[in-house]
Amino acid sequence: KQEVTQIPAALSVPEGENLVLNCSFTDSAIYNLQWFRQDPGKGLTSLLLIQSSQREQTSGRLNASLDKSSGRSTLYIAASQPGDSATYLCAVIGPSSGTYKYIFGTGTRLKVLA
Amino acid sequence: GAGVSQSPSNKVTEKGKDVELRCDPISGHTALYWYRQRLGQGLEFLIYFQGNSAPDKSGLPSDRFSAERTGESVSTLTIQRTQQEDSAVYLCASSQGQGEETQYFGPGTRLLVL
Repeated sequence: KQEVTQIPAALSVPEGENLVLNCSFTDSAIYNLQWFRQDPGKGLTSLLLIQSSQREQTSGRLNASLDKSSGRSTLYIAASQPGDSATYLCAVIGPSSGTYKYIFGTGTRLKVLA
Repeated sequence: GAGVSQSPSNKVTEKGKDVELRCDPISGHTALYWYRQRLGQGLEFLIYFQGNSAPDKSGLPSDRFSAERTGESVSTLTIQRTQQEDSAVYLCASSQGQGEETQYFGPGTRLLVL
């Protein structure tokens, strides 16, 4: 059974810092891993999707890496801004979860202080 | 183009009442998913539709929960005889296909059962 864990559960940093969010999963047989952002009162916004054959994806100040063999992914946020404050979720999809349903971690609540 | 929409955005109901939650997926998306997020917990998969059929209902927590999809478009999640533990944010997502396809999430319906 696939399980996804995110560390830390919460993080508070001053504006401008570079930070790393961690995601680990127990079954390395995945199709893809996706990082989402969740703002209060809103749905999920997809940030980065990494296919199983890829090792990283970049979008602006965000960089996500994937190490399937060790069951880990990291989301790197450069030069953090108060607008980055949100909950960040990682989710994996693969044969152990029925090929179509995401298994989500419980998220990291990020607060960037101005 | 329009994203995934859900209605109502908020719903307060009394224990024992029935509720219906609606999801309008992105036009042309064949796959539709319902997830639930209870306070302080991660997202849980509820049900998956491919077209109008639901190959996997395994996430529905009890027989009080049911869902249907018509016209390969709108889906309705119905909760009968609501209980306080049903209070959660119910999120709908859609994708063009399944598996490696990106899932696009709606804003969710916040359900509070008093």
